[in-house]
Formats: sequence, C-alpha cells, structure tokens
Amino acid sequence: ETGVTQTPRHLVMGMTNKKSLKCEQHLGHNAMYWYKQSAKKPLELMFVYSLEERVENNSVPSRFSPECPNSSHLFLHLHTLQPEDSALYLCASSHILPGQGGEKLFFGSGTQLSVL
Amino acid sequence: SQQGEEDPQALSIQEGENATMNCSYKTSINNLQWYRQNSGRGLVHLILIRSNEREKHSGRLRVTLDTSKKSSSLLITASRAADTASYFCATDSASGNQFYFGTGTSLTVIP
Repeated sequence: ETGVTQTPRHLVMGMTNKKSLKCEQHLGHNAMYWYKQSAKKPLELMFVYSLEERVENNSVPSRFSPECPNSSHLFLHLHTLQPEDSALYLCASSHILPGQGGEKLFFGSGTQLSVL
Repeated sequence: SQQGEEDPQALSIQEGENATMNCSYKTSINNLQWYRQNSGRGLVHLILIRSNEREKHSGRLRVTLDTSKKSSSLLITASRAADTASYFCATDSASGNQFYFGTGTSLTVIP
C-alpha cells in the first residue's frame, strides 16, 4: 500500500462515453501527477498540480481534462476518447520543497483503460 | 526531450548473478531516481541520488551517477527471482516538480 489510491482499477469505455478517473493520496503531499503508460513507450507526464500551480504537457489532447479540487484529490475527466488512448493511467504524488529538487514519487496501482 | 533512456531494453540472468542497468539523460538535473514496476502495477521508488553525489547504496542496490556524462547505472547484486520486473530511471525538471521517465529495462531473473 503506497498511500495513493486510484479508482477504478479497470475501465472499458466507448468513444462517445464520458468517464472520470479518481486518485486520492493520504500522505500529506503537495503535488499530484497524471502519467500515461503505453506499451513500448516512455511514461508520458500528462499533468502536474504542484504548489497550487498546474503544469500541463502541451501534447496531451483536450479530450483529457484534469481537476484537482484540493491537495489530496485528483481527477482525470475523459470524453470522446480514441482507441489509441487505451493505456495504463498512473497517478502519483510527491512532496515538493521549493528550490530543493524533486523528491520521490508515490504511485497508485493505475487504471487500465480500454477504449473500444 | 528531458526523458531518460535505459539500456538494455531487456536483460535475462540466472538467479544469484548481478544485474546492471544504465540510464542516459540529456539535461541538467537536481537528482536522479530509480523505480521498479511489476507488470500492470504502479511504480515503486527504489533509490534517489542527488546531482552532487557519485554513488549510493541501499541493500543489494548500488547506484552511480556521472553528471559529466549525463549517465547513471543501477546494479542489483545477488539477484533473486522476485527481482523480475521493469526498472526505470527518472530525472527531474529544473524546478523540481516534474519527473521524466524512459521506456525502462525489463529484467528477468531465472530461478
């Protein structure tokens, strides 16, 4: 148990559906992340919420929309996805000390998403 | 791209042997980290080495860092079947709040 919980564990959706992935951390961290992991590709950093700042990877399509209502919860809203969006979506959290570099990430178990 | 790149992509060894994996990166870093992932699960942090450190040990793990060559290595000594997993290096951004991973090294330890 890493202290980072993701739900659901598996998700199958059609291209016209709208769904949301949820992540919750119980570690008191001040930064949360969404990563996408596809086969044979590097983990792709999608979004970061850190110290009340949002950083996004400009290559992520707008059909992915993050929401971070507080420092413990993170959502990824999905709509009109494509089959190539099928992947393992990983949430992570960390504690950022300004000016001291990144500390270790704690990952959830991921949501395996299949888009039909 | 700031992503690290692990080498080799796949490694298969006998139990008891040592396993060495390498990581190269392109930009300046504050620290470099190594993670492990079992199939279909989240990544688990193994060890962090700061840019002003050259070597670090944790149990059977030994990590080296050469910032002049922008490279790091992870050595697992006396490997066990349970070490079978994928291993990733991660570098951080200048601001320290973003982390970049490569495609990983898939390690198989044969009993």
